[in-house]
Amino acid sequence: AQSVAQPEDQVNVAEGNPLTVKCTYSVSGNPYLFWYVQYPNRGLQFLLKYITGDNLVKGSYGFEAEFNKSQTSFHLKKPSALVSDSALYFCAVRDILSGNNRKLIWGLGTSLAVNP
Amino acid sequence: DADVTQTPRNRITKTGKRIMLECSQTKGHDRMYWYRQDPGLGLRLIYYSFDVKDINKGEISDGYSVSRQAQAKFSLSLESAIPNQTALYFCATSDPGLADTGELFFGEGSRLTVL
Repeated sequence: AQSVAQPEDQVNVAEGNPLTVKCTYSVSGNPYLFWYVQYPNRGLQFLLKYITGDNLVKGSYGFEAEFNKSQTSFHLKKPSALVSDSALYFCAVRDILSGNNRKLIWGLGTSLAVNP
Repeated sequence: DADVTQTPRNRITKTGKRIMLECSQTKGHDRMYWYRQDPGLGLRLIYYSFDVKDINKGEISDGYSVSRQAQAKFSLSLESAIPNQTALYFCATSDPGLADTGELFFGEGSRLTVL
């Protein structure tokens, strides 16, 4: 079955420290992978995506993510966290073999708290 | 102005009432979606539409209906609201285009409380 797992409900990090938000996936074919961010009382915003090519993907607000096929992971990272990065982060995957359906499969979200 | 606009942003209603949540978009996208967000459950797809004549059920369509009035408008209705439909509802769009990656563009959400 296709699935996405975000193993941590919450991540706490001090401002200025590096942050990692974890995501692992299981799909039948090659994946399209996404990270979205939801700030309080806002809709979800696209951060970055992996389709093909370089395993390290750079996105908005200084975030990046590394696609690791052997570990079926797509962890979100940032070298130096800001208090303003505090938000809910969602990982999502689309199986390119899913035909015209092409729906995204969502993780349950990880709440990131960056402490001053 | 937001590219994907949802109305109302907040609504409190009573059990048994009919509720309509509206979504309009100026992105020119053919594909539109309604999601529901509940704490600890992430996002769940209610309905999606790939064009005006194409409506599809998602994971949790029971108790909901939709109408795609135009390319730019996609409404979600609760014919008889019940308390477990209390949630944050999101409309989203996507553009199949030549690079159909599945990237979604979300509205700001409609918070519905059913008493």
